[in-house]
Amino acid sequence: KAGVTQTPRYLIKTRGQQVTLSCSPISGHRSVSWYQQTPGQGLQFLFEYFSETQRNKGNFPGRFSGRQFSNSRSEMNVSTLELGDSALYLCASSGGQGGRQETQYFGPGTRLLVL
Amino acid sequence: AQKITQTQPGMFVQEKEAVTLDCTYDTSDPSYGLFWYKQPSSGEMIFLIYQGSYDQQNATEGRYSLNFQKARKSANLVISASQLGDSAMYFCAMREGPGNMLTFGGGTRLMVKP
Repeated sequence: KAGVTQTPRYLIKTRGQQVTLSCSPISGHRSVSWYQQTPGQGLQFLFEYFSETQRNKGNFPGRFSGRQFSNSRSEMNVSTLELGDSALYLCASSGGQGGRQETQYFGPGTRLLVL
Repeated sequence: AQKITQTQPGMFVQEKEAVTLDCTYDTSDPSYGLFWYKQPSSGEMIFLIYQGSYDQQNATEGRYSLNFQKARKSANLVISASQLGDSAMYFCAMREGPGNMLTFGGGTRLMVKP
């Protein structure tokens, strides 16, 4: 079974631009979560989508948004990019049925550099 | 207060020796899950092991085991017989409540010496 895939793997943008990142979950998985990883703040949860609905949201400004399609693929969008948005963005998928033991499997990430 | 604390920013271990990576957590939810992930320099997070708050036994997965001490709120990862390929960042994470939000610790960089 193929793992979680993320595109693009690397991205360079300038301040003020917007960016869209894509994530395809493991086949059959219905939950997709997004995380931001920076040297200063570590790994932080952005949001989770399940069955095309946002189920959880982290403490990020409204410039960060996401959506999920009927095939469970997800996109996240960052508008009006700031230098501090430079990070590794990780997507994780899981079955979505809930339960304490549900494990999230991560993709390779998208490295975003904002100049 | 930090929900997940990993007090060892970096550690060295000799190849073939065992190593323990520390993790303490803070939660008032009686139902929670604890996870360990490995992150090589490539960036991908690799799931290693899971421990549930109600699990009576310590979790084991091959060379990985979790030393779960609920009263002390600690969930230390033990890697037996370290290999050069174990050199990576290791993250402890916790899930509380519904949904899939994971809270991560700051990580421990493990370096295995030949």
